[in-house]
Amino acid sequence: LAKTTQPISMDSYEGQEVNITCSHNNIATNDYITWYQQFPSQGPRFIIQGYKTKVTNEVASLFIPADRKSSTLSLPRVSLSDTAVYYCLVGALTGTASKLTFGTGTRLQVTL
Amino acid sequence: NAGVMQNPRHLVRRRGQEARLRCSPMKGHSHVYWYRQLPEEGLKFMVYLQKENIIDESGMPKERFSAEFPKEGPSILRIQQVVRGDSAAYFCASSPQRENYGYTFGSGTRLTVV
Repeated sequence: LAKTTQPISMDSYEGQEVNITCSHNNIATNDYITWYQQFPSQGPRFIIQGYKTKVTNEVASLFIPADRKSSTLSLPRVSLSDTAVYYCLVGALTGTASKLTFGTGTRLQVTL
Repeated sequence: NAGVMQNPRHLVRRRGQEARLRCSPMKGHSHVYWYRQLPEEGLKFMVYLQKENIIDESGMPKERFSAEFPKEGPSILRIQQVVRGDSAAYFCASSPQRENYGYTFGSGTRLTVV
């Protein structure tokens, strides 16, 4: 089970790009990297998932270096509504659900 | 296409009472997962169910907690004889196939034990 480490909190101003890095030094060959977003009083929401290099969707980009020991979630031009907790998860898509561990995540605070 | 529906949103129980939390997965999803989130903590896996089957309950406390996902109707997480430490947000997620990380979560049930 790959353990992940991410900053406890980050602050940003509206309009800036935010990069949240997650370390996963013991990531396994079959593991994917998945990011979720959670607003207060709501369930987590899937943001993006990747295996290597770069993945981009309408919400974010995910950068994964060649050694895959870390990954960076990039949020372009954040707004106040991006204030949330962001979770990095690492695991095989065919792994058991019990290994889907969220951790405490990174609390992003966006201000004017 | 409604998302994952959980009810009630808020539930208050006195110590010793039973709490029943309901989860209706997204249409077409046959896999349900329950998670618990204590204040200021991440989500902790509790149990993974398919219709009429418990696939993985390794995160479920051995006593007082049970879960089911009957052939008809929602999945139920039941907590008997609740204690203050059971106060938490309980989230349900569903997926269309086994162990797909693209889970869809419900808005949760906030259980308060007084």
